[in-house]
Amino acid sequence: EADIYQTPRYLVIGTGKKITLECSQTMGHDKMYWYQQDPGMELHLIHYSYGVNSTEKGDLSSESTVSRIRTEHFPLTLESARPSHTSQYLCASSEYSVYQETQYFGPGTRLLVL
Amino acid sequence: GESVGLHLPTLSVQEGDNSIINCAYSNSASDYFIWYKQESGKGPQFIIDIRSNMDKRQGQRVTVLLNKTVKHLSLQIAATQPGDSAVYFCAENPSGTYKYIFGTGTRLKVLA
Repeated sequence: EADIYQTPRYLVIGTGKKITLECSQTMGHDKMYWYQQDPGMELHLIHYSYGVNSTEKGDLSSESTVSRIRTEHFPLTLESARPSHTSQYLCASSEYSVYQETQYFGPGTRLLVL
Repeated sequence: GESVGLHLPTLSVQEGDNSIINCAYSNSASDYFIWYKQESGKGPQFIIDIRSNMDKRQGQRVTVLLNKTVKHLSLQIAATQPGDSAVYFCAENPSGTYKYIFGTGTRLKVLA
């Protein structure tokens, strides 16, 4: 079982507030990812990181930012939350295995912006 | 564009029966595939993976089949149990990229 954690699990916040979603993994994985997922829908990649001080935007345009100062930590920040940001945010990390890189996911943060 | 599609959005099966969940992919450069299980309120959980140099891979009660000719992937669950009820996603990884392309998922309902 993967050791990847996200906090908070649930967050209700007002429009305009700044929020940071936390993600940590204890597996020493170099690669980490943030996905956005609406209920019953596919996952959309919004940010990823190959390692410390390496971050890139994903396929889905996002108003969020990320940082990777430590290998185990990959927080996502929304400077000014809006109702359109309401969604589930999933963090993942991956390692290189014999076959290929396998992604492991955290439990997710459900965000509701009022 | 690139897409990973699932044929059936919802699959209902009787407890004890076998389940087959299908997935089509469109990127011929994809050489690695993963099946995930996502229960309500949780993140996706890795089930099984397969590389493009294989046609079949088996795990505990699960089998993944890959048909590269028609770009089709399937997940077979033997003796389906109530705990198997969840949404199942397939994901493809095009060779040499960081990307995992996910489909919309199939909801599996196990009937008692």
